[in-house]
Amino acid sequence: DIQMTQSPSTLSASVGDRVTITCRASQSISNWLAWYQQKPGKAPKVLIYKASNLEGGVPSRFSGSGSGTEFTLTISSLQPDDFATYYCQHYSSYSFTFGPGTKVDFK
Amino acid sequence: QLQLQESGPGLVKPSETLSLTCTVSGGFITSENYFYGWIRQSPGKGLEWIGNIFYGGNTRYSPSLESRVTISVGTSKNQMSLRLRSVTAADTALYYCARATYYYESSGNRAVFPFDVWGQGTMVTVSP
Repeated sequence: DIQMTQSPSTLSASVGDRVTITCRASQSISNWLAWYQQKPGKAPKVLIYKASNLEGGVPSRFSGSGSGTEFTLTISSLQPDDFATYYCQHYSSYSFTFGPGTKVDFK
Repeated sequence: QLQLQESGPGLVKPSETLSLTCTVSGGFITSENYFYGWIRQSPGKGLEWIGNIFYGGNTRYSPSLESRVTISVGTSKNQMSLRLRSVTAADTALYYCARATYYYESSGNRAVFPFDVWGQGTMVTVSP
């Protein structure tokens, strides 16, 4: 089974900061990676698919990169609405696997 | 606009079977190129994929839950069902259903997208 890890587990930041979250896969997953944002009491929302493609309606300050086993989610200028937990997810026709999550909170 | 709504008992006894339903509105659950899945989230914890069901009834399950889980589609009511057998306190969680898209590549391989439509979730507690 493919395992997903994320770092850091918690990230303290301020509005306007550039934020980077890393996701690693236990083996190569090509670019079959998504990023989700989840706010308390809400269902997750997909931000990025296929590692670097922005989902429709998602602000352009979000971007994704990487392939193989290492991926990053970057928020170019953190906004108040961005304080949330972020999950990476490997997806394939056979299985979906989530990372453990990264909580972005106020510094 | 597609909407998903989970429903089922909020309390299940240990060793019994958890049964949940996901009702689809604004679309047909049997539409080609869409598949549906179940995901759960234990209190204060991360997301755990349970399984998916594709058009035609083909299913894929998480290896850690495969021996206890069944996902099926009830077309007459535009619903998807989850059954999780022999539950324990570790199965206490918020259960989500979600939808995603797939297509077939020129090679004949099925390529999928991540979940883009989610229900609001239903909380299930396993307790005597």
